Amino acid sequence: DSGVTQTPKHLITATGQRVTLRCSPRSGDLSVYWYQQSLDQGLQFLIQYYNGEERAKGNILERFSAQQFPDLHSELNLSSLELGDSALYFCASSPRGGGLQNTGELFFGEGSRLTVL
Amino acid sequence: EDQVTQSPEALRLQEGESSSLNCSYTVSGLRGLFWYRQDPGKGPEFLFTLYSAGEEKEKERLKATLTKKESFLHITAPKPEDSATYLCAVLYGQNFVFGPGTRLSVLP
Repeated sequence: DSGVTQTPKHLITATGQRVTLRCSPRSGDLSVYWYQQSLDQGLQFLIQYYNGEERAKGNILERFSAQQFPDLHSELNLSSLELGDSALYFCASSPRGGGLQNTGELFFGEGSRLTVL
Repeated sequence: EDQVTQSPEALRLQEGESSSLNCSYTVSGLRGLFWYRQDPGKGPEFLFTLYSAGEEKEKERLKATLTKKESFLHITAPKPEDSATYLCAVLYGQNFVFGPGTRLSVLP
């Protein structure tokens, strides 16, 4: 158990819909990262937050947004869903911040599997 | 172009048959190389960090090594429970990039 909690574990929805994925980082970790993993793309970095502020952005679509709340949990919002958005979405946390340049060991949650029909 | 590749894409071993997985990178300013293990439907689990050429790290049946262009993950006398996808990740400049992974199957 990594200590990172993600909900829901599975989500099935239709094209055009909007979903919210939630992540609680390990106790004491200030950084939260979101990754997307699909069969043909591997692990793709989406976005990082550190102590409530956005620190780094990867290949995140404009239809996707995220935020980190004062209690350090984070939410990833996916809207106007398309079939191609079906994937595993992972949250990871790290005690280090300051952007990816300080990334060391990441602790991943079990992921949220999104299926868009 | 900056790139992280892993080979082979998939590997099947008999229990006890030692082998190595490769992670090659063409990036400038390597700051660290990381190995993770991922079981099907689970999140990646951190294994090792290597910071400089010549460095080695060991954990049970796994040993990771680093040169200036690549890293190897050596698996000695593997067991079926070592079956997983092994991912390397490279930290360089402001970037942290995962490789595509090697899917390892160890047959009893």
